[in-house]
Amino acid sequence: DGGITQSPKYLFRKEGQNVTLSCEQNLNHDAMYWYRQDPGQGLRLIYYSQIVNDFQKGDIAEGYSVSREKKESFPLTVTSAQKNPTAFYLCASSILGLEETQYFGPGTRLLVL
Amino acid sequence: AQSVSQHNHHVILSEAASLELGCNYSYGGTVNLFWYVQYPGQHLQLLLKYFSGDPLVKGIKGFEAEFIKSKFSFNLRKPSVQWSDTAEYFCAVILLSYNTDKLIFGTGTRLQVFP
Repeated sequence: DGGITQSPKYLFRKEGQNVTLSCEQNLNHDAMYWYRQDPGQGLRLIYYSQIVNDFQKGDIAEGYSVSREKKESFPLTVTSAQKNPTAFYLCASSILGLEETQYFGPGTRLLVL
Repeated sequence: AQSVSQHNHHVILSEAASLELGCNYSYGGTVNLFWYVQYPGQHLQLLLKYFSGDPLVKGIKGFEAEFIKSKFSFNLRKPSVQWSDTAEYFCAVILLSYNTDKLIFGTGTRLQVFP
């Protein structure tokens, strides 16, 4: 089936630890996105990439890093610099760019121990 | 600053009641407008969208939305809700500009429908 997969479903982070969230898509979409969803705040854009080997910061990029070495993959690293990482993280993709319909993955819930 | 407002944070309705969820944005330029829905335990998915043309757009499951440019609004409506419409609804606006497009999501409205 075509779609977006995110792993793991739940992730626990210790203080001072970097963790990486996986996002893979087999939709042949050029653009991919990472959002953070917090109660009462909706979705906030962390990073997005419209083409391989290129990405742009969203509204809340501090404490996060990404890479886009392959079209299908857009991993997100939550670094120790992110002081409040507990949230639900959603990955999405779209055919071309930011102006189009986005297709979302199931999400990863990150919890801090 | 550019923003998207969903004033209804939590809506509770009985089945067969009519629904209208508000979405307003602050931006004077061209926009693409979306409503996404997140059913319990499911992925966020597109409900409907407006890019251009007829400002009244119809989406899945009997939902519709009307773009009123003069009011900077894109309210979501359904004449008769069902229990299965219980979900969280997000309005999203893409601010189109010559330099850089910007995507903003609203804070979401949680809808609970009781039988």
